[in-house]
Amino acid sequence: GAGVSQTPSNKVTEKGKYVELRCDPISGHTALYWYRQSLGQGPEFLIYFQGTGAADDSGLPNDRFFAVRPEGSVSTLKIQRTERGDSAVYLCASSVDGFSNYGYTFGSGTRLTVV
Amino acid sequence: KNEVEQSPQNLTAQEGEFITINCSYSVGISALHWLQQHPGGGIVSLFMLSSGKKKHGRLIATINIQEKHSSLHITASHPRDSAVYICAVSGVQGAQKLVFGQGTRLTINP
Repeated sequence: GAGVSQTPSNKVTEKGKYVELRCDPISGHTALYWYRQSLGQGPEFLIYFQGTGAADDSGLPNDRFFAVRPEGSVSTLKIQRTERGDSAVYLCASSVDGFSNYGYTFGSGTRLTVV
Repeated sequence: KNEVEQSPQNLTAQEGEFITINCSYSVGISALHWLQQHPGGGIVSLFMLSSGKKKHGRLIATINIQEKHSSLHITASHPRDSAVYICAVSGVQGAQKLVFGQGTRLTINP
């Protein structure tokens, strides 16, 4: 696609439920990143994929969070047993390679609200 | 102390004014990025800098590697420039993720 696509754009879920957030990067971009942005704050890193593998998952806050990118393109961020503190905008970005030589393209984000 | 600090956090100005937003960082980096975020919108990359100065239209970004400092300037500001401007760095300790500042909320009044 022409840009990074994230779906859904908004998600409201009840505490304790499971959610999946999807990111469709620019075709051919090997690097994919997930960030989380709380209200009034800058985004915080969650996980980085190079191809199909998670090259850096040091930002995942706990084992309720998991992400996959099985074919090296679309990625899914999965959150189990959601908590109210998980409410945030989840941003996805992709780049041509993993060396930041070409900059990053961001999606519009998924606003997750846990009630 | 955050690795990336921006100032000011909020800035309100009149249309036409020259705007400066500052960013300081405390670690070695491979590149510094200036990003723009509109309310409810995604993030748009404005500049990626590893040295010197870049200009795009009314936007100018500079970086001083020795002082670990960057500035984003907007000339002849316009209400449509109102947005959150975010400074981020990449290549910290060789990692490719972006480390973000907290953002500067800019409001340009007509």
